[in-house]
Amino acid sequence: EAQVTQNPRYLITVTGKKLTVTCSQNMNHEYMSWYRQDPGLGLRQIYYSMNVEVTDKGDVPEGYKVSRKEKRNFPLILESPSPNQTSLYFCASSLSDAPRGTGELFFGEGSRLTVL
Amino acid sequence: GDSVTQMEGPVTLSEEAFLTINCTYTATGYPSLFWYVQYPGEGLQLLLKATKADDKGSNKGFEATYRKETTSFHLEKGSVQVSDSAVYFCALYNAGNNRKLIWGLGTSLAVNP
Repeated sequence: EAQVTQNPRYLITVTGKKLTVTCSQNMNHEYMSWYRQDPGLGLRQIYYSMNVEVTDKGDVPEGYKVSRKEKRNFPLILESPSPNQTSLYFCASSLSDAPRGTGELFFGEGSRLTVL
Repeated sequence: GDSVTQMEGPVTLSEEAFLTINCTYTATGYPSLFWYVQYPGEGLQLLLKATKADDKGSNKGFEATYRKETTSFHLEKGSVQVSDSAVYFCALYNAGNNRKLIWGLGTSLAVNP
């Protein structure tokens, strides 16, 4: 089954404790992206990657890191989480630079992060 | 820069009612337009799209027509069901805008039996 898998789905952590949210897709997609979703603010792009070893900042990259060592994986790293990073995070992928390739972004189910 | 404006929600309807969710955009050139849907507890999924003026996208009984003269892409459905309760996002893609999707803020729809 074609899918984007994120882990963990739910996480409560404390300020400053490094964490990684993993994202993996099984569709051989070149393009991957991370978003955060907050009430009243909609979806905001954090980072994106056009292909392996190619990553770029989105609209709200501060406090986040990403890597793209393999095509299928695109982890989101919070080196020192803060309460303002409490949010719902989505990973998405597409066949080529979204959305022109297939016209479709495929989303994971989301990771709800709470930073105390 | 490019932007997307959606009508604010929440929208509450009775089953079998007619649905319209307004979406207007500002963009240079000829963007592609999309509607995504987010069901409770799930990620977003593409509902329909239109890539040029006057195109009509349709899926699952939903339709939207790309109107360049009014810069709009309103989502419609003739008879909603309880299972249509979700958040709907209008989005725009413009190759000249650093190749990323521009999102509306989403419109929450609740359909009562």
